[in-house]
Amino acid sequence: QSVLTQPPSASGTPGQRVTISCSGSSSNIGTNAVEWYQQLPGTAPKLLIYRGNQRPSGVPDRISGSKSGTSTSLAISGLQSEDEADYYCVAWDDRLNGLVFGGGTKLTVL
Amino acid sequence: QVQLVQSGAEVKQPGASVKVSCKTSGYTFTDYYIHWVRQAPGQGLEWMGRINPKGGGTDYAQKFRGRVTMTRDTSISTVYMEMFGLRSDDTAVYYCARRVAVAGTNWFDPWGQGTLVTVSS
Repeated sequence: QSVLTQPPSASGTPGQRVTISCSGSSSNIGTNAVEWYQQLPGTAPKLLIYRGNQRPSGVPDRISGSKSGTSTSLAISGLQSEDEADYYCVAWDDRLNGLVFGGGTKLTVL
Repeated sequence: QVQLVQSGAEVKQPGASVKVSCKTSGYTFTDYYIHWVRQAPGQGLEWMGRINPKGGGTDYAQKFRGRVTMTRDTSISTVYMEMFGLRSDDTAVYYCARRVAVAGTNWFDPWGQGTLVTVSS
């Protein structure tokens, strides 16, 4: 139902590397920059990645973003228990003339 | 520091309207768009629309056109989101967020703390 498609869940053990995908189309990811946000329970989202692969200050370099065509991915290496959260991709959509979010991915650290 | 402080939780009956405020501070109010995003219980984030505080121009997601109005009061650096004809499925946390734009790149920073709107008879 969301314009951007994310897997509903992902999981990994401490220290592992996990990737979360986000698939869109030529009118959004294919043309415009993607952002990734982390949301902990009961809190507002926090910016992790902008312009597809740039980290704001304070976000560790074990978190990275990449883009290929109309898809983008968020990678978290050296997984930690504090990474357990919901993750959302978002991009501007030129056809809808508005922002579109992915449905969100719940990351569980086993 | 930059802050967005939203008004408190609301409980409304179906068919009523609600007006949520977002008071900004710590930056020049007219320099950044403010967007509204909502999140129903246990659900994902949903973009509602944006307002340009400089001139008051707005853009709304198709789903909310005709039912949502975003306004601003430059004298108190505050943005408002008003929704009409509330339904039970409008029960959600409503966030305002400042849209930063640098060299053709954009992101949200910061977000308000969220306002829970509950629609129930």
